[in-house]
Amino acid sequence: EAQVTQNPRYLITVTGKKLTVTCSQNMNHEYMSWYRQDPGLGLRQIYYSMNVEVTDKGDVPEGYKVSRKEKRNFPLILESPSPNQTSLYFCASSTSPGLSYNEQFFGPGTRLTVL
Amino acid sequence: AQKVTQAQTEISVVEKEDVTLDCVYETRDTTYYLFWYKQPPSGELVFLIRRNSFDEQNEISGRYSWNFQKSTSSFNFTITASQVVDSAVYFCALSEAGSGGYQKVTFGTGTKLQVIP
Repeated sequence: EAQVTQNPRYLITVTGKKLTVTCSQNMNHEYMSWYRQDPGLGLRQIYYSMNVEVTDKGDVPEGYKVSRKEKRNFPLILESPSPNQTSLYFCASSTSPGLSYNEQFFGPGTRLTVL
Repeated sequence: AQKVTQAQTEISVVEKEDVTLDCVYETRDTTYYLFWYKQPPSGELVFLIRRNSFDEQNEISGRYSWNFQKSTSSFNFTITASQVVDSAVYFCALSEAGSGGYQKVTFGTGTKLQVIP
Protein backbone atom coordinates (compact mmCIF):
# COMPACT_ATOMS: atom_id res chain seq x y z
CA GLU A 1 0.00 0.00 0.00
CA ALA A 2 1.34 3.41 -1.02
CA GLN A 3 1.78 5.48 2.09
CA VAL A 4 3.70 8.02 4.11
CA THR A 5 4.48 6.91 7.65
CA GLN A 6 5.51 9.02 10.60
CA ASN A 7 6.85 8.00 13.98
CA PRO A 8 6.03 8.58 16.68
CA ARG A 9 2.40 9.54 16.33
CA TYR A 10 2.32 11.15 19.75
CA LEU A 11 5.18 12.52 21.80
CA ILE A 12 5.40 14.44 25.05
CA THR A 13 8.84 15.75 25.89
CA VAL A 14 10.56 18.42 27.91
CA THR A 15 12.29 21.61 26.87
CA GLY A 16 15.78 21.08 25.51
CA LYS A 17 15.65 17.33 25.01
CA LYS A 18 16.64 16.57 21.42
CA LEU A 19 14.14 14.57 19.42
CA THR A 20 13.65 13.21 15.93
CA VAL A 21 10.40 12.57 14.13
CA THR A 22 10.85 10.08 11.34
CA CYS A 23 9.10 10.16 7.99
CA SER A 24 9.22 7.48 5.35
CA GLN A 25 7.45 7.01 2.02
CA ASN A 26 7.27 3.95 -0.20
CA MET A 27 6.23 5.64 -3.44
CA ASN A 28 9.72 6.54 -4.71
CA HIS A 29 8.81 10.22 -4.52
CA GLU A 30 11.52 12.78 -5.05
CA TYR A 31 9.84 15.61 -3.16
CA MET A 32 9.24 15.54 0.58
CA SER A 33 8.17 18.23 2.98
CA TRP A 34 7.40 18.95 6.63
CA TYR A 35 4.55 21.10 7.89
CA ARG A 36 3.27 22.16 11.24
CA GLN A 37 -0.41 22.79 11.88
CA ASP A 38 -1.50 25.23 14.56
CA PRO A 39 -5.00 26.51 15.37
CA GLY A 40 -5.85 29.56 13.32
CA LEU A 41 -2.64 29.35 11.32
CA GLY A 42 -3.33 26.45 9.00
CA LEU A 43 -0.38 24.44 7.74
CA ARG A 44 2.97 26.12 7.49
CA GLN A 45 5.88 24.63 5.62
CA ILE A 46 9.00 24.02 7.71
CA TYR A 47 11.44 22.46 5.24
CA TYR A 48 11.22 20.69 1.94
CA SER A 49 13.50 18.48 -0.09
CA MET A 50 13.63 18.10 -3.83
CA ASN A 51 15.75 14.96 -3.73
CA VAL A 52 18.54 13.24 -1.84
CA GLU A 53 20.90 15.78 -0.25
CA VAL A 54 18.79 18.71 -1.53
CA THR A 55 16.80 20.61 1.08
CA ASP A 56 15.49 24.15 1.44
CA LYS A 57 13.76 26.23 4.07
CA GLY A 58 10.04 26.77 4.09
CA ASP A 59 8.25 29.53 5.94
CA VAL A 60 9.04 28.52 9.53
CA PRO A 61 12.41 26.70 9.66
CA GLU A 62 13.73 28.20 12.91
CA GLY A 63 14.44 25.56 15.53
CA TYR A 64 14.28 22.64 13.10
CA LYS A 65 16.75 20.63 11.08
CA VAL A 66 16.21 18.05 8.38
CA SER A 67 18.32 15.65 6.40
CA ARG A 68 17.71 13.64 3.25
CA LYS A 69 20.31 10.91 3.01
CA GLU A 70 17.97 8.41 1.39
CA LYS A 71 15.15 9.01 -1.01
CA ARG A 72 12.52 7.38 1.16
CA ASN A 73 13.35 9.06 4.48
CA PHE A 74 13.10 12.66 5.60
CA PRO A 75 13.52 13.01 9.39
CA LEU A 76 12.67 16.19 11.25
CA ILE A 77 15.09 17.03 14.04
CA LEU A 78 14.45 19.34 16.96
CA GLU A 79 17.83 19.92 18.57
CA SER A 80 16.51 21.83 21.56
CA PRO A 81 12.70 21.78 21.59
CA SER A 82 10.81 24.62 23.17
CA PRO A 83 7.13 24.93 24.19
CA ASN A 84 6.35 27.04 21.09
CA GLN A 85 7.12 23.97 19.01
CA THR A 86 4.16 22.18 20.49
CA SER A 87 2.13 21.43 17.39
CA LEU A 88 0.75 18.83 15.00
CA TYR A 89 3.36 17.90 12.41
CA PHE A 90 2.75 16.45 8.98
CA CYS A 91 5.18 14.95 6.56
CA ALA A 92 4.25 14.85 2.88
CA SER A 93 5.67 13.57 -0.37
CA SER A 94 5.00 13.90 -4.08
CA THR A 95 6.55 13.05 -7.37
CA SER A 96 9.12 15.48 -8.70
CA PRO A 97 7.42 18.86 -9.00
CA GLY A 98 9.41 20.10 -11.96
CA LEU A 99 6.69 21.43 -14.14
CA SER A 100 4.10 19.06 -12.74
CA TYR A 101 3.40 20.41 -9.28
CA ASN A 102 1.75 17.23 -8.25
CA GLU A 103 -0.45 16.86 -5.23
CA GLN A 104 1.15 15.79 -2.00
CA PHE A 105 0.47 12.65 -0.04
CA PHE A 106 0.42 13.27 3.68
CA GLY A 107 1.42 11.15 6.62
CA PRO A 108 -0.98 10.64 9.55
CA GLY A 109 0.57 13.41 11.64
CA THR A 110 2.65 13.57 14.82
CA ARG A 111 1.26 15.41 17.80
CA LEU A 112 4.15 16.87 19.75
CA THR A 113 3.89 18.47 23.17
CA VAL A 114 6.92 20.22 24.66
CA LEU A 115 6.62 20.96 28.37
CA ALA B 1 5.63 36.44 -1.48
CA GLN B 2 2.80 34.06 -2.03
CA LYS B 3 -0.26 34.17 0.17
CA VAL B 4 -3.52 32.26 0.47
CA THR B 5 -6.52 33.72 2.26
CA GLN B 6 -9.50 31.74 3.44
CA ALA B 7 -11.58 34.40 5.09
CA GLN B 8 -14.29 32.04 6.33
CA THR B 9 -13.05 30.51 9.55
CA GLU B 10 -16.13 28.42 10.26
CA ILE B 11 -19.32 27.72 8.35
CA SER B 12 -22.39 25.82 9.51
CA VAL B 13 -25.03 24.60 7.11
CA VAL B 14 -27.98 22.30 7.37
CA GLU B 15 -27.74 19.06 5.47
CA LYS B 16 -28.69 19.31 1.78
CA GLU B 17 -27.84 23.00 1.60
CA ASP B 18 -25.24 24.17 -0.88
CA VAL B 19 -22.12 25.83 0.49
CA THR B 20 -19.22 27.69 -1.08
CA LEU B 21 -15.79 27.93 0.47
CA ASP B 22 -13.77 30.91 -0.64
CA CYS B 23 -10.07 31.00 -1.46
CA VAL B 24 -8.16 34.07 -2.59
CA TYR B 25 -4.48 33.88 -3.45
CA GLU B 26 -1.56 36.18 -4.19
CA THR B 27 1.43 35.32 -6.31
CA ARG B 28 3.87 37.03 -8.65
CA ASP B 29 4.49 33.87 -10.65
CA THR B 30 2.71 33.26 -13.90
CA THR B 31 3.00 29.50 -13.45
CA TYR B 32 1.48 28.09 -10.32
CA TYR B 33 -0.87 25.42 -9.04
CA LEU B 34 -3.81 25.63 -6.70
CA PHE B 35 -5.05 22.79 -4.54
CA TRP B 36 -7.86 21.93 -2.19
CA TYR B 37 -7.36 19.44 0.64
CA LYS B 38 -9.86 18.05 3.11
CA GLN B 39 -9.08 17.27 6.75
CA PRO B 40 -11.91 15.25 8.34
CA PRO B 41 -12.22 14.97 12.12
CA SER B 42 -9.95 11.92 12.02
CA GLY B 43 -7.10 14.28 11.13
CA GLU B 44 -5.64 13.00 7.89
CA LEU B 45 -5.21 15.30 4.91
CA VAL B 46 -6.90 14.23 1.71
CA PHE B 47 -6.21 15.71 -1.71
CA LEU B 48 -9.33 16.89 -3.56
CA ILE B 49 -8.26 18.80 -6.64
CA ARG B 50 -5.39 20.52 -8.45
CA ARG B 51 -5.66 23.32 -10.98
CA ASN B 52 -2.81 24.97 -12.90
CA SER B 53 -2.65 28.65 -13.65
CA PHE B 54 -3.25 28.17 -17.36
CA ASP B 55 -6.44 26.21 -17.01
CA GLU B 56 -9.42 28.30 -15.95
CA GLN B 57 -12.00 25.67 -16.76
CA ASN B 58 -14.33 24.99 -13.91
CA GLU B 59 -14.48 21.44 -12.71
CA ILE B 60 -17.25 19.30 -11.31
CA SER B 61 -16.81 16.03 -9.51
CA GLY B 62 -20.04 14.64 -8.17
CA ARG B 63 -21.35 17.10 -5.57
CA TYR B 64 -18.10 19.06 -5.63
CA SER B 65 -17.30 21.88 -8.03
CA TRP B 66 -14.50 24.39 -8.30
CA ASN B 67 -14.52 27.85 -9.80
CA PHE B 68 -11.09 29.26 -10.76
CA GLN B 69 -10.98 32.93 -11.77
CA LYS B 70 -7.57 34.47 -12.44
CA SER B 71 -9.11 37.92 -12.80
CA THR B 72 -10.07 37.89 -9.13
CA SER B 73 -7.30 35.50 -7.98
CA SER B 74 -9.89 33.18 -6.54
CA PHE B 75 -10.34 29.42 -6.47
CA ASN B 76 -13.65 28.75 -4.76
CA PHE B 77 -15.04 25.36 -3.82
CA THR B 78 -18.75 24.55 -3.79
CA ILE B 79 -20.40 21.54 -2.22
CA THR B 80 -23.89 20.89 -3.53
CA ALA B 81 -26.47 19.17 -1.35
CA SER B 82 -24.09 18.95 1.59
CA GLN B 83 -23.95 15.83 3.72
CA VAL B 84 -22.80 15.20 7.27
CA VAL B 85 -19.73 13.40 5.90
CA ASP B 86 -18.63 16.70 4.36
CA SER B 87 -17.96 18.07 7.84
CA ALA B 88 -14.25 18.79 7.88
CA VAL B 89 -11.64 21.48 7.66
CA TYR B 90 -10.89 22.43 4.08
CA PHE B 91 -7.57 23.92 3.05
CA CYS B 92 -6.72 25.80 -0.09
CA ALA B 93 -3.04 25.75 -1.11
CA LEU B 94 -0.81 27.48 -3.64
CA SER B 95 2.34 25.99 -5.13
CA GLU B 96 4.92 27.96 -7.03
CA ALA B 97 8.63 27.74 -7.73
CA GLY B 98 10.71 28.78 -4.77
CA SER B 99 14.35 29.77 -4.88
CA GLY B 100 16.27 27.75 -7.42
CA GLY B 101 13.07 26.64 -9.09
CA TYR B 102 12.00 24.39 -6.25
CA GLN B 103 8.47 23.89 -5.08
CA LYS B 104 7.27 25.99 -2.17
CA VAL B 105 3.75 25.45 -0.90
CA THR B 106 1.58 27.88 1.01
CA PHE B 107 -1.63 26.81 2.68
CA GLY B 108 -4.53 28.95 3.77
CA THR B 109 -5.67 28.88 7.36
CA GLY B 110 -8.55 26.57 6.54
CA THR B 111 -12.33 26.72 6.71
CA LYS B 112 -14.09 24.48 9.17
CA LEU B 113 -17.36 23.24 7.70
CA GLN B 114 -20.01 21.78 9.93
CA VAL B 115 -22.97 20.12 8.28
CA ILE B 116 -25.87 19.75 10.67
CA PRO B 117 -28.26 16.84 10.12
